[in-house]
Amino acid sequence: NAGVTQTPKFQVLKTGQSMTLQCAQDMNHNSMYWYRQDPGMGLRLIYYSASEGTTDKGEVPNGYNVSRLNKREFSLRLESAAPSQTSVYFCASSPSGGGKLFFGSGTQLSVL
Amino acid sequence: DQQVKQNSPSLSVQEGRISILNCDYTNSMFDYFLWYKKYPAEGPTFLISISSIKDKNEDGRFTVFLNKSAKHLSLHIVPSQPGDSAVYFCAARSYNNNDMRFGAGTRLTVKP
Repeated sequence: NAGVTQTPKFQVLKTGQSMTLQCAQDMNHNSMYWYRQDPGMGLRLIYYSASEGTTDKGEVPNGYNVSRLNKREFSLRLESAAPSQTSVYFCASSPSGGGKLFFGSGTQLSVL
Repeated sequence: DQQVKQNSPSLSVQEGRISILNCDYTNSMFDYFLWYKKYPAEGPTFLISISSIKDKNEDGRFTVFLNKSAKHLSLHIVPSQPGDSAVYFCAARSYNNNDMRFGAGTRLTVKP
């Protein structure tokens, strides 16, 4: 009954440090997504993967990279963290590109 | 460029009364609309959706209305319950497009 699992739940970085946010889903979904949530901005799409082996940029991709490791896993990497990347990050999955999304519980990231 | 707008950051209603949450969009290519509910420290969860070929969709206490000419949708909750207190996000996408856009959210408080 896990659904979408994100790790870690909390992270504090210093400016310039790198890190990878991990996401895995056990629902056999084809599509996976990374969103960030900022106050007053709603959720904004960073990157998505429509199917295993493909990735595409969303609305706010700058400063991020992604890897669709296999059908289950989709990771988000910050190569050189900046304070503007302080946010709550959500991973989501969907059976196909046009359906509803299932979200993980989020990662709260602070960049000092 | 915020294509989905929720202009009310918060709404407070009495238990048993109707809650009406509003959402406006600007992109005429959107043809699938969703509402998500989010509790603190959890990811958003899907609530109800509507496609552009309909103007109303009901699911128990929740009804979504779509006015395509006005590019406006609303979520009605009747009767409202204290457990409905959460942040509600409106979202929209065009057919088979992975880029789902979200509004900034409305925090609903239902008072006993």
